[in-house]
Amino acid sequence: GAGVSQTPSNKVTEKGKYVELRCDPISGHTALYWYRQSLGQGPEFLIYFQGTGAADDSGLPNDRFFAVRPEGSVSTLKIQRTERGDSAVYLCASSFRSPGTGELFFGEGSRLTVL
Amino acid sequence: GNSVTQMEGPVTLSEEAFLTINCTYTATGYPSLFWYVQYPGEGLQLLLKATKADDKGSNKGFEATYRKETTSFHLEKGSVQVSDSAVYFCALSDTTAGNKLTFGGGTRVLVKP
Repeated sequence: GAGVSQTPSNKVTEKGKYVELRCDPISGHTALYWYRQSLGQGPEFLIYFQGTGAADDSGLPNDRFFAVRPEGSVSTLKIQRTERGDSAVYLCASSFRSPGTGELFFGEGSRLTVL
Repeated sequence: GNSVTQMEGPVTLSEEAFLTINCTYTATGYPSLFWYVQYPGEGLQLLLKATKADDKGSNKGFEATYRKETTSFHLEKGSVQVSDSAVYFCALSDTTAGNKLTFGGGTRVLVKP
């Protein structure tokens, strides 16, 4: 597709379960970012990939959160032992390279609800 | 660390009114500044940007000027339309941190006909 694709668009899970969220970036974009947006707030940085490697994972809140990008394209954000506080919209974005102009192309997000 | 502060919403306006959304920032180095917009049911998209002091970004009738002396990047539009109803986010990108963006909390704008 032409834009950043995220699946699922909505995910409802129970506390303690494991969740995977997928991001398919724009073709040719080497940089990929994950952000988390809580209700009524701005997006908060989680992790950034340049190619296959995590260039900056300083925003991951704790070791229950992990992300991979094994082939330098699709990325998966993994959340273990989910907690109610993990409920948010998880946004993925991509760009041509980094550092660059700063323009990120965002997907529509995956809304995670932890009951 | 880097931070962005923008005025809280919601901001409710009538069509053709003048819109200003204030944004101030704190950053190390020389950041680039951005306004992103999120229309209902859509993903975040770049509205405009400025990469150095005194630069003016503009798009779709919106403007913002990078003011280093006041560390501000206020968004303005002279005559809003109903279609401008959205959430607007001010953001900065620290050149020492690649394209990692730091966002403000967002300002919801509602334009009534």
